[in-house]
Amino acid sequence: EADIYQTPRYLVIGTGKKITLECSQTMGHDKMYWYQQDPGMELHLIHYSYGVNSTEKGDLSSESTVSRIRTEHFPLTLESARPSHTSQYLCASSEFKYQETQYFGPGTRLLVL
Amino acid sequence: AQTVTQSQPEMSVQEAETVTLSCTYDTSESDYYLFWYKQPPSRQMILVIRQEAYKQQNATENRFSVNFQKAAKSFSLKISDSQLGDAAMYFCAYRSGRDDKIIFGKGTRLHILP
Repeated sequence: EADIYQTPRYLVIGTGKKITLECSQTMGHDKMYWYQQDPGMELHLIHYSYGVNSTEKGDLSSESTVSRIRTEHFPLTLESARPSHTSQYLCASSEFKYQETQYFGPGTRLLVL
Repeated sequence: AQTVTQSQPEMSVQEAETVTLSCTYDTSESDYYLFWYKQPPSRQMILVIRQEAYKQQNATENRFSVNFQKAAKSFSLKISDSQLGDAAMYFCAYRSGRDDKIIFGKGTRLHILP
């Protein structure tokens, strides 16, 4: 399995709380991604980054924000969680080269009450 | 815009048998890459197999092989000698040769019957 980690693995939180989902990788990959996946459904790209200080929005509109201050770290933040944010969030990374493969973290399952 | 379609939401196969998962895609590009990812229940998504569109030879990884039909825009996954550990959600994915975003299909849940 790839060296990409996500914490927490599970999170139950009340509406209005600020949360940060952590993602880190030890492979030195330049590119990192956040996907949102509802149970049994496809993945939707919500954020990605080409490297330090680079962040881009994905195809699915999201109220979350991301930052990339260090190569290995790509946290996702929700300023005010809502029940509609309940989902699984998957982080992935890949090398900055042609035809690279994405390696996925174990995911964070978020439940907002 | 590119799309990826997996028409089989669920499939079942007897242990040790062979199963084929279908995937079709739509694109106007000639340079792209196709992937099959496996997501076991409550476990990490991992790459099963990858195919470059410019390669005519079908990719193979041990018991996993693909049937890549570029003209038909079809990319099916064949699993031979199915094992209980193969039970998972399988996602077909497309990546353009021009950008870094991967488009995933809706997935096929594969059950292995003992």
